[in-house]
Amino acid sequence: GDSVTQMEGPVTLSEEAFLTINCTYTATGYPSLFWYVQYPGEGLQLLLKATKADDKGSNKGFEATYRKETTSFHLEKGSVQVSDSAVYFCALRAPNNNAGNMLTFGGGTRLMVKP
Amino acid sequence: EAGVVQSPRYKIIEKKQPVAFWCNPISGHNTLYWYRQNLGQGPELLIRYENEEAVDDSQLPKDRFSAERLKGVDSTLKIQPAELGDSAVYLCASSYPGEAYGYTFGSGTRLTVV
Repeated sequence: GDSVTQMEGPVTLSEEAFLTINCTYTATGYPSLFWYVQYPGEGLQLLLKATKADDKGSNKGFEATYRKETTSFHLEKGSVQVSDSAVYFCALRAPNNNAGNMLTFGGGTRLMVKP
Repeated sequence: EAGVVQSPRYKIIEKKQPVAFWCNPISGHNTLYWYRQNLGQGPELLIRYENEEAVDDSQLPKDRFSAERLKGVDSTLKIQPAELGDSAVYLCASSYPGEAYGYTFGSGTRLTVV
């Protein structure tokens, strides 16, 4: 079945450091890929998405590129802020709306940014 | 526009007691999902509704879990009786049918079974 693997956290960075959170997936065909963010005490919020190979999703300074050849969707940000401290989840949605729009999530990566 | 509303935010119960969670989706979202998020893990789907019909409940432990979505709007997820292993955050989400770009989650209900 479909699966998503993320790098384990926590990831601890100083403010203005470069961020990479790795995400790889296993799926049949070409799924849609997402990054969600969960701030303390809150629900998951969609951060960015990509629906086909070589698409780049971006939002709030975060970027991720859909790499079909490496089945990856790594999250990057050039300069993190303390307010970026949260848990980040990579997720996929099966292609052609198989599995009824169900999202398959990775285990999450906690990011801690220190001033 | 109000988001997906869940209540209660927190619930602590003793094992073997019943518990219920409530979800009000975004207006017009016909599809509703219940996910369970164990500590330190990603959410996992429990059940999906299209309007009032449960179209995917393969991951729902039916011996103790039940759900309903009367009139295709609000939904209730129930556990009876609760076990220690049910401690988790229960997330509700909603979307338009066939939404290709992810969907909106509620803030969740954190259940602690003692």
